[in-house]
Amino acid sequence: GAVVSQHPSRVICKSGTSVKIECRSLDFQATTMFWYRQFPKQSLMLMATSNEGSKATYEQGVEKDKFLINHASLTLSTLTVTSAHPEDSSFYICSAWEGQGGNQPQHFGDGTRLSIL
Amino acid sequence: GQNIDQPTEMTATEGAIVQINCTYQTSGFNGLFWYQQHAGEAPTFLSYNVLDGLEEKGRFSSFLSRSKGYSYLLLKELQMKDSASYLCAAVDSNYQLIWGAGTKLIIKP
Repeated sequence: GAVVSQHPSRVICKSGTSVKIECRSLDFQATTMFWYRQFPKQSLMLMATSNEGSKATYEQGVEKDKFLINHASLTLSTLTVTSAHPEDSSFYICSAWEGQGGNQPQHFGDGTRLSIL
Repeated sequence: GQNIDQPTEMTATEGAIVQINCTYQTSGFNGLFWYQQHAGEAPTFLSYNVLDGLEEKGRFSSFLSRSKGYSYLLLKELQMKDSASYLCAAVDSNYQLIWGAGTKLIIKP
């Protein structure tokens, strides 16, 4: 089945550091990828939709200058948390649509647990 | 507005059957997904329904009624490993996923 690889799985760093998270579709091409954030005991919250070759679409309340998204190829999207602070600590998960999306399931990466000290 | 409702938490006994309900209100509808999410892990795909009726896949079945805006996930022969959160997500007219808050299922021996 479709596999999405997300790296790194865990990051612990000091406040003010920028952190890059990679999301790769290993055996399919993904025109559209999604970035979610999930706080403990809460549901997934969509941050942005990443489209290959164009600017990402951010959800309301998500700072695009804080969370930089680059989708440079059909198999890779990256999320960079710039100048991270403790309140950015969360579980970040990417997903990708197999095929043209719509009625196709989103396949999720394993997530990245970000802890800012 | 768009909304997904599902119970926050349910408890069931190992070996039993449990039904997790989900009601949705979306602008347009292009199907409904169920995902399983174990604590600390990413969600994994369970099922997709777009037509009315029951879809069976092993111990798990998913049902949809478009006229009622209602779906349920049925888990049979419950095992301890089924303890997880179950997320319902509806696809709206723009093919955006509208996520429910998830139902935490606790399985007791």
